[in-house]
Amino acid sequence: AQSVSQHNHHVILSEAASLELGCNYSYGGTVNLFWYVQYPGQHLQLLLKYFSGDPLVKGIKGFEAEFIKSKFSFNLRKPSVQWSDTAEYFCAVTSNNAGNMLTFGGGTRLMVKP
Amino acid sequence: DAGVIQSPRHEVTEMGQEVTLRCKPISGHNSLFWYRQTMMRGLELLIYFNNNVPIDDSGMPEDRFSAKMPNASFSTLKIQPSEPRDSAVYFCASRKDTGNTIYFGEGSWLTVV
Repeated sequence: AQSVSQHNHHVILSEAASLELGCNYSYGGTVNLFWYVQYPGQHLQLLLKYFSGDPLVKGIKGFEAEFIKSKFSFNLRKPSVQWSDTAEYFCAVTSNNAGNMLTFGGGTRLMVKP
Repeated sequence: DAGVIQSPRHEVTEMGQEVTLRCKPISGHNSLFWYRQTMMRGLELLIYFNNNVPIDDSGMPEDRFSAKMPNASFSTLKIQPSEPRDSAVYFCASRKDTGNTIYFGEGSWLTVV
C-alpha cells in the first residue's frame, strides 16, 4: 500500500543540537514532497517542498531536506535547533499515481529544551 | 491573499446535533481538501474536490459525514448526527492545479459532548 512513514514519533533535543527527522514513502510515479510544521495550537505551515531539480532543498527557518530517490526518503535537517522549533513536523507526499492527493506521515513531535 | 478561511474556529455541540463546517479556498485554487486531525489517528484526508467535483471521498468515515462544494469559492463539511468521537480539528486546504503547494486554513476545533 502507498504510505508515508515517519520513524521518530517523539524527539527531545537541547538547544543548538542538530536535528534530522526521517521520512520514507512508498509511492511510485512522479512524487512531490513536502514538510509541514504545526506549532502548538496552530495550523499547518509549509516548511519546504521538493518538486524537481536539486534534491537538496532549503526552506524557511534554516531547515533543509534531501530527496534521495533510491531510498524513497526525504529527511528533514537543521544544524542547530532553537527552543522556538518545538512543534510537530509532518512529511507529506503527492503522487500522480495516487490522484495527486496529499498524504501525510504520522508526524514527529519535537521538543527543544532551553 | 486572504488564505484559506474556515469557520467556525471553535464549536462545542451536544451529541446528536448537526454540525456544519465551512471553508473558503484561496481565490483561483481549483482543488480543495478536507482533513481531520486527532491525537490517535493523526491527519486523515476525508475528501478531495477538483474543480468542485468530489474526486476521492474514501476517507469519509461514514454516512454521517457529507461534503459539498457548490461553487469554486465555498465548501461545507457536515456531520449529522454528531458523536463524541467526531471531536477533532478539521482542516480545509486548497491548491492551484496539481503539482503545487497545498495551503491550509487555521482549522475548526470541534468538540462534541
